[in-house]
Amino acid sequence: DSGVTQTPKHLITATGQRVTLRCSPRSGDLSVYWYQQSLDQGLQFLIQYYNGEERAKGNILERFSAQQFPDLHSELNLSSLELGDSALYFCASSTTSGNTYEQYFGPGTRLTVT
Amino acid sequence: AQSVAQPEDQVNVAEGNPLTVKCTYSVSGNPYLFWYVQYPNRGLQFLLKYITGDNLVKGSYGFEAEFNKSQTSFHLKKPSALVSDSALYFCAVREGKGGFKTIFGAGTRLFVKA
Repeated sequence: DSGVTQTPKHLITATGQRVTLRCSPRSGDLSVYWYQQSLDQGLQFLIQYYNGEERAKGNILERFSAQQFPDLHSELNLSSLELGDSALYFCASSTTSGNTYEQYFGPGTRLTVT
Repeated sequence: AQSVAQPEDQVNVAEGNPLTVKCTYSVSGNPYLFWYVQYPNRGLQFLLKYITGDNLVKGSYGFEAEFNKSQTSFHLKKPSALVSDSALYFCAVREGKGGFKTIFGAGTRLFVKA
């Protein structure tokens, strides 16, 4: 158990809908990362937050947004969902935002868009 | 731009034999290199990292990796494979200066046969 929690575990929704994925980092970790894992794209970095502020952006679509709250939990919002958004979404956390620190991953949220 | 290549989709090895999972990278600055493992229906778990210093890095579960700057490689090794090592292995790189993105390789599936 990494100490990172994600809810929900599974989510099934229809095209055009909006969903929110939630992540609680390990106790004491200030940095949160979001990743999308799909069969065709592999593991793609979406976005990173550090202590409430956006730190780095990857291949995140404009339909997706995220934020980190004062209690350090983070939410990833996915809107106008398309079939291609079906994937595993992982949250990870690390002690700081520094590049030398490893990340601890949550169990993921499996999103199915029908 | 940063990139990571894992040239083998799959590696097969017999239990008790040594294993190697290959990784090459490309960054403009100093590389910070990581290996993660993913078991079925689980998030990624950190195995080991190279930041600086000794080129041979030891990590969890008996794994080690060798950093080779001239060949821009960071191959994962284990002297004696176990069936329980069967999983998906990811190499990742972060750039030493400026960039905060983590780039993951496509992953290598390791099968250890009894």
